[in-house]
Amino acid sequence: AQSVTQLGSHVSVSEGALVLLRCNYSSSVPPYLFWYVQYPNQGLQLLLKYTSAATLVKGINGFEAEFKKSETSFHLTKPSAHMSDAAEYFCAVSGADMRFGAGTRLTVKP
Amino acid sequence: DVKVTQSSRYLVKRTGEKVFLECVQDMDHENMFWYRQDPGLGLRLIYFSYDVKMKEKGDIPEGYSVSREKKERFSLILESASTNQTSMYLCASSFLAGGTYGYTFGSGTRLTVV
Repeated sequence: AQSVTQLGSHVSVSEGALVLLRCNYSSSVPPYLFWYVQYPNQGLQLLLKYTSAATLVKGINGFEAEFKKSETSFHLTKPSAHMSDAAEYFCAVSGADMRFGAGTRLTVKP
Repeated sequence: DVKVTQSSRYLVKRTGEKVFLECVQDMDHENMFWYRQDPGLGLRLIYFSYDVKMKEKGDIPEGYSVSREKKERFSLILESASTNQTSMYLCASSFLAGGTYGYTFGSGTRLTVV
């Protein structure tokens, strides 16, 4: 069965600092991997997705993620955090259906 | 702009009531899903449907049922609401089974059962 684990339920960074949100996956077949963002009282919005075309995937709002098969990881990064990045972020893996991690809440301090 | 629309943003219901949560998508997607979201647990799949009048149980179907009479509409039914069903409910749809192209989510319905 496919699954993802997000390391850290809460990450806090200062505005302008690097954002790193960690995700490790488990999959018996080459996975399709996703990052979603959820702003307060809203649904999930797709940030980016990995579908085996390229290991470094660029998404919306300056986010990117790198697929590392050797580490079974798909960490999300952004070079410089903005206040507007404060939200909850979910990693997901797609197989017969989509499995989500528990989420990481990102706080950005001024 | 394509979208998934959930009929209510906030609902308050009494224990024992029958509750209907409605979801409509305008993208002609075959696949539709209902999740519940709880703090620290992420999203858990309740039911999904790959076609009209077709339904499959997800990980936590107990206490819920679904209806898909038309392609664009997928309803979640709480037969007899209980306080442990207080949660955020998210509907999603996708073009391909397994969500290879990702899912499109509605804005969610926050249900409180008192």
